[in-house]
Amino acid sequence: DAKTTQPNSMESNEEEPVHLPCNHSTISGTDYIHWYRQLPSQGPEYVIHGLTSNVNNRMASLAIAEDRKSSTLILHRATLRDAAVYYCILRDGQGGSEKLVFGKGTKLTVNP
Amino acid sequence: ETGVTQTPRHLVMGMTNKKSLKCEQHLGHNAMYWYKQSAKKPLELMFVYNFKEQTENNSVPSRFSPECPNSSHLFLHLHTLQPEDSALYLCASSRTGLGNEQFFGPGTRLTVL
Repeated sequence: DAKTTQPNSMESNEEEPVHLPCNHSTISGTDYIHWYRQLPSQGPEYVIHGLTSNVNNRMASLAIAEDRKSSTLILHRATLRDAAVYYCILRDGQGGSEKLVFGKGTKLTVNP
Repeated sequence: ETGVTQTPRHLVMGMTNKKSLKCEQHLGHNAMYWYKQSAKKPLELMFVYNFKEQTENNSVPSRFSPECPNSSHLFLHLHTLQPEDSALYLCASSRTGLGNEQFFGPGTRLTVL
C-alpha cells in the first residue's frame, strides 16, 4: 500500500481556515486520495476523496497537487467540533481492494 | 447517527472467557469490516466481508473468529484472548465498489484481564 506522511499535530483558532497537508510521493496513477477524521470517543467518519481534480463538499475542500504527490485538506472555518484526528489515506483504484490503511494521522486542536 | 451500531459498547473479559461482539447496519450496504484500534497505534484492518463472503483476513490470530450471517450483521467471536488484545474494535460498512465511503460504528471498548 502506498504510504502517506502527515504532521503529528496542528493547531488552529476557531473560525479560521485550516490547511492539513499530506505527502504521498509514491502514489500510483490509480490511487484515490481519501480523508477521514476521528472525533474523540467516536469511530472515524468520511470527509472527502478525490483522484486528480480538486473537490469540494459541505465538510471540506481537497486540493490535489498537479503531480499528485501531495494534497491538502481545507477546512474553511474551523469550529470546536472539528477537533479530531485527520487521516489521509490512499485507496487503490484497481483490483477491487476495499481496504483502508490508516496511518497515525494529524491531531487537530481548535482553540476558542 | 451513522446507521452502524455496535454492541456492547464496553466489555471486560477474562482470558478464558468466550464473548461475541455484534455489529449491525441499516444502510443497505453489502460490505462490512472489522478494525482494531490499540492505544497509540493506527487503526488496523482485521477482516473484510463482501456479500457475506470473507474477502480479506489481515493475518488475524485464530482466537478472533468473524461471522457474517447476512449483509446487515457482522459478529466477532472472541475466545482465549490475551491482555494485549485490549483495544477499541470498530465495525464499518460500505457499498461494494471503489471509492465508496465507509461508515463506522462507535466501537466496542474491550478490556482483557
